[in-house]
Amino acid sequence: QKEVEQDPGPLSVPEGAIVSLNCTYSNSAFQYFMWYRQYSRKGPELLMYTYSSGNKEDGRFTAQVDKSSKYISLFIRDSQPSDSATYLCAMRGVSFGAGTTVTVRA
Amino acid sequence: GAVVSQHPSWVICKSGTSVKIECRSLDFQATTMFWYRQFPKQSLMLMATSNEGSKATYEQGVEKDKFLINHASLTLSTLTVTSAHPEDSSFYICSARRADFNSPLHFGNGTRLTVT
Repeated sequence: QKEVEQDPGPLSVPEGAIVSLNCTYSNSAFQYFMWYRQYSRKGPELLMYTYSSGNKEDGRFTAQVDKSSKYISLFIRDSQPSDSATYLCAMRGVSFGAGTTVTVRA
Repeated sequence: GAVVSQHPSWVICKSGTSVKIECRSLDFQATTMFWYRQFPKQSLMLMATSNEGSKATYEQGVEKDKFLINHASLTLSTLTVTSAHPEDSSFYICSARRADFNSPLHFGNGTRLTVT
């Protein structure tokens, strides 16, 4: 079993829709969770960095952590075509999900 | 925010030559740096972890003699692909982290290596 599981998608949504991404993990020792955005042919860019269970909001992005279920989510509100990218979850910064490719259609 | 600079962004070399890729943390001290390889439409594949002043730790299946990693200072790590072959053509990415084990990674923008 992989330490981090993430549905690779692809996910296609119309502009303005809410994008919902999630990951599950198996190691209960993980306490720090990150979401990265990677555009094609670029390095991943840190979007969100969370520690505790609950929600963290930053602009149109909300990260949610449920440690009891070992489940994390990223929501993108009012999605834009510029949000089209691959989104990776990471635990402790070294265990990565496979990445979900998102396309926001204009 | 933390900035990691990776250079070059792309390189084309002939089979049998060596190529060096640099990864620099510009505004923080990177105790640990990581090197990844990424194939098209796939996730990051960790190749090795390097800690400043010590030998790199390579992941299983990665040839340490082929992919030489040096982390001589807290702001610079280098990856040298020795005697490159066409199958080494790939996208190589580095990341850097502060001393705190739980601090996030900050990535370079990657190097596209093409071996002809």
